[in-house]
Parts: sequence; C-alpha cells; structure tokens
Amino acid sequence: QLHLQESDPGLVKPSETLSLTCTVSGGSISSRNYYWGWIRQPPGKGLEWIGTVYYSGSTYYNPSLTSRVTISVDTSKNQFSLKLNSVTAADTAVYYCARHNYNGSGRHIDYWGQGTLVTVSS
Amino acid sequence: QSALTQPASVSGSPGQSITISCTGSSSDVGSYNLVSWYQQHPGKAPKLMIYEGSKRPSGVSDRFSGSKSGNTASLTISGLQAEDEADYYCCSYARSSTFIFGGGTKLTVL
Repeated sequence: QLHLQESDPGLVKPSETLSLTCTVSGGSISSRNYYWGWIRQPPGKGLEWIGTVYYSGSTYYNPSLTSRVTISVDTSKNQFSLKLNSVTAADTAVYYCARHNYNGSGRHIDYWGQGTLVTVSS
Repeated sequence: QSALTQPASVSGSPGQSITISCTGSSSDVGSYNLVSWYQQHPGKAPKLMIYEGSKRPSGVSDRFSGSKSGNTASLTISGLQAEDEADYYCCSYARSSTFIFGGGTKLTVL
C-alpha cells in the first residue's frame, strides 16, 4: 500500500523559505504515469493546488504561486520536495503531498499524505 | 486561474439524495472530462470519491455518482447516511497541466 509522509517544519518566519519533503514508501517515485505534488489548505478554508513534479524533473506550478515555488525530486531517496520563498502569514496552512495519477486518460489525485501544519509567524 | 464554484453548503435527511454542483469554464471543466471529487472529514486528508467525471475508485460506495454538462460537473449522493457528512471538493484538470479546486461544499446530514 502506497504511503506518503510529509516532513514537519512547524514554524517558519515571515520572508523566509518554507521547505517540506515528502517520503514515498510502498511504491517507486520513478513509476511512469504518476506525478508527485503538493496541495495546501489554510485553516478553515479550501484546498489549493500548488504544483507537481515528474520523476524526470519536469514541473508544473499554480500560476498564482509560480514565482515563489520550486518542486524537486530525489529518486535515489524516493522523495520529492517543496520550497516556497518569501512566505507571509497567508502561507500558513496544512500542506499535503499527494500522488497525481496520469494512467490512461486519467488526471486525478489518488493518494494523499496525512498533511502537516506549517505556521508562518515571527 | 479562479477556483471552481461550488455551493458553500447543502443538507439532506438520511435516505435522501443530494447533488453538489461545480461550475468552471471552457478552460477547465468544459474542456476536459477530468473532474474528480474528494471527501474530507474534519482533521483528515481528502479521499478520492469520483474521477474522470463519473468513475468510482475501488471501495467507494455506488451511492456516489458524478456527471457533467457543459462547464458544470455534479456529484450526487443517494441514500444519504450519517457518515456522508463531510466537506466535498471538486477538482478539474486544466490547461498547462495544472489542476484547480472548487471552494468546497459542507454537507450536513440532518
């Protein structure tokens, strides 16, 4: 059974860089037809898609975040990572890592991590 | 890239059916039959309930069904049960290989 686990940075100061890592177990991050990505959810609010990365390193980002976001992959460790720079209080959210299924004509998110709360505060 | 539009809340009694709408544009919902729906209970990660507009993953009850007409997708839950009470989010694949979520709908089972 596939399992995704986010790291836990906890508190990040305003203007600094938020860094998260997702460790994938029970499957290979190098499998074809799967992208690996991040979604966030501010407290009491809805879901926001951040972006994805393929095992080859190809990335796609939410246009509203693209200037501040970098998603990368480390196939040797079966991990992928998120960096969000110049954070503000508005970036406080639960961050989920997730597998995006591209099998056949599909485009959906089929596995999610448990989520980790990142708080931006001085 | 604006969020897809969902009603903030819907409600129904046990045994009844409810439908949640999800309205996008010709750049997302209208261009692709790739809307997915997620159920989220408080404090939990979202769970995939419907993909490719109307397909159910293994293990999801057939009380959940999806459809699409034009720029609007819909999730119908029949035979409402207490455990269906949750937040529901639609999500569409969009241009430039991005994804866009709806604002979410809180389902209350009366």
